[in-house]
Amino acid sequence: AQSVSQHNHHVILSEAASLELGCNYSYGGTVNLFWYVQYPGQHLQLLLKYFSGDPLVKGIKGFEAEFIKSKFSFNLRKPSVQWSDTAEYFCAVSSTSGTYKYIFGTGTRLKVLA
Amino acid sequence: EPEVTQTPSHQVTQMGQEVILRCVPISNHLYFYWYRQILGQKVEFLVSFYNNEISEKSEIFDDQFSVERPDGSNFTLKIRSTKLEDSAMYFCASTLPGTYEQYFGPGTRLTVT
Repeated sequence: AQSVSQHNHHVILSEAASLELGCNYSYGGTVNLFWYVQYPGQHLQLLLKYFSGDPLVKGIKGFEAEFIKSKFSFNLRKPSVQWSDTAEYFCAVSSTSGTYKYIFGTGTRLKVLA
Repeated sequence: EPEVTQTPSHQVTQMGQEVILRCVPISNHLYFYWYRQILGQKVEFLVSFYNNEISEKSEIFDDQFSVERPDGSNFTLKIRSTKLEDSAMYFCASTLPGTYEQYFGPGTRLTVT
């Protein structure tokens, strides 16, 4: 069955700490990978995406993610978090054919302490 | 920058009532989706819509649910007879074929009492 796992449900960090959020997926075939962020009261916004090519992708707001095909992983990283990064982060996978529907992970709530 | 919009932002309804959630996708997009997120749970796919017909639906999307694109701009989700367990945030999304990236609306919070 298709699934996405996010290992950390709640993360609390101090400002300037480094962040790594895990994402693993189970999906037959070629996939596209995404990280979305949802700030309080706002809609889902795309942070970054991976379709093909360089497995290290850079997104907005200083975030990056690395696709490791052998581990079926797409972990999100940021070297130094800010208070404004407090939000919920969702990993998502879609097929490269068909309807391109997303399968989401359960989300990780990040709280950054000032 | 074009955005997906959804109305209403919050809908409260009584069990057994019909509700219609509305979405205006980005104008040149061709694939449309509904997702829902029950409080504390993951975002789940409900249905995809392309070329004026459902292209895929999940097990959640039973006979109580329907979607429609009544004109060139709106995309609606109807729940015929709401249940308590339909209480959730409902997200609409749209995309262009081949671009894979979906653009999400702000969501409609549906509360069934």
